[in-house]
Amino acid sequence: AQSVTQLGSHVSVSEGALVLLRCNYSSSVPPYLFWYVQYPNQGLQLLLKYTTGATLVKGINGFEAEFKKSETSFHLTKPSAHMSDAAEYFCAVRPSGGSNYKLTFGKGTLLTVNP
Amino acid sequence: GAVVSQHPSWVICKSGTSVKIECRSLDFQATTMFWYRQFPKQSLMLMATSNEGSKATYEQGVEKDKFLINHASLTLSTLTVTSAHPEDSSFYICSARQGWNTEAFFGQGTRLTVV
Repeated sequence: AQSVTQLGSHVSVSEGALVLLRCNYSSSVPPYLFWYVQYPNQGLQLLLKYTTGATLVKGINGFEAEFKKSETSFHLTKPSAHMSDAAEYFCAVRPSGGSNYKLTFGKGTLLTVNP
Repeated sequence: GAVVSQHPSWVICKSGTSVKIECRSLDFQATTMFWYRQFPKQSLMLMATSNEGSKATYEQGVEKDKFLINHASLTLSTLTVTSAHPEDSSFYICSARQGWNTEAFFGQGTRLTVV
């Protein structure tokens, strides 16, 4: 069984400020972890993913996330927010092994960026 | 990255009619496709998983007779909402993956409004 908790349904930052979106997961097996971004009325775009290896992963648009097994967390960060980062962000988890590709999504965090 | 295209992007239909949504993988062969439903300001809910040439596997609580899924080729899956009602109004998103342990790519979604 797996689940994802995103703390904060809405995060508001100023342009140029640090972005921190929190994600904690629960998984009975080693997980693969993902962050997706969704703009209004659009599908999901993969920002980054952790599968194996280095626990700090870098993604597109300057985002990065760190897998912390001891904390069961995979928080998303960006040093300096841009207006174009305003969107909905989803954290997702799936089992690392076998053929079960079922992604479990968090409820999402809406990021607003103030000028 | 790989491209998944959904059509139409939005559709309005009358209550009682059926609507078909297409999901195409444009530059890869999709052995598995997934259909999600997203309610306003909520996360994605997996409706069903379909493998090419076989019957779709529906998640618990999803009416298979209402949401007909066909995955007749390696590049096309369709979701037909039969006898649509206003409560079926939602944002439907598909995703597709090439192999069992590869990343899935998302379509841009279809906004269905039943009046």
